[in-house]
Amino acid sequence: DTEVTQTPKHLVMGMTNKKSLKCEQHMGHRAMYWYKQKAKKPPELMFVYSYEKLSINESVPSRFSPECPNSSLLNLHLHALQPEDSALYLCASSPRQGVEEKLFFGSGTQLSVL
Amino acid sequence: EDQVTQSPEALRLQEGESSSLNCSYTVSGLRGLFWYRQDPGKGPEFLFTLYSAGEEKEKERLKATLTKKESFLHITAPKPEDSATYLCAVPSGGSNYKLTFGKGTLLTVNP
Repeated sequence: DTEVTQTPKHLVMGMTNKKSLKCEQHMGHRAMYWYKQKAKKPPELMFVYSYEKLSINESVPSRFSPECPNSSLLNLHLHALQPEDSALYLCASSPRQGVEEKLFFGSGTQLSVL
Repeated sequence: EDQVTQSPEALRLQEGESSSLNCSYTVSGLRGLFWYRQDPGKGPEFLFTLYSAGEEKEKERLKATLTKKESFLHITAPKPEDSATYLCAVPSGGSNYKLTFGKGTLLTVNP
């Protein structure tokens, strides 16, 4: 299994809602990432987890809250988002944290904030 | 500051018409250059990693090459299914976790 699975594929939420994005991989990878991608822009790194611990937070607003319950799962909890947070949210994994590592991306969650 | 510049922004080809995409980079101490392919509404898919000038890698109709200042992605006899955005990325400065991505080249191959 070489897939990173993200759910849901699409999400529409209001600014007062709380929702969660989920990501799962069964490749035994020990590094997992959240990226944000706006239309026609490259992906931007948000968070890095290494061995289930938050390793990197790229100064992301607190309305985004990551969680890594175990080595296969990564969640992104969303609360009080703004319309400008609408984007494609991508999860990725790699065997370990390291800039030389090849990233395996999921298909993403297309988020619209109304 | 690290920079990755891809050109052209968009490229339209006829099926079978070979061409090249360019990725220019300025980074101190290159620790690899990555090419990814991204289909609309999907996550990027890894294609190649190149580490040193002169290195070449091939996969089907794609060949990636690297010099000290740029990388080329050559597409030979493309097919419509090669239509996608092609992204290149390099490790950011002294970071051990972050990539600097270019803005990508949107390739459209018409039948």
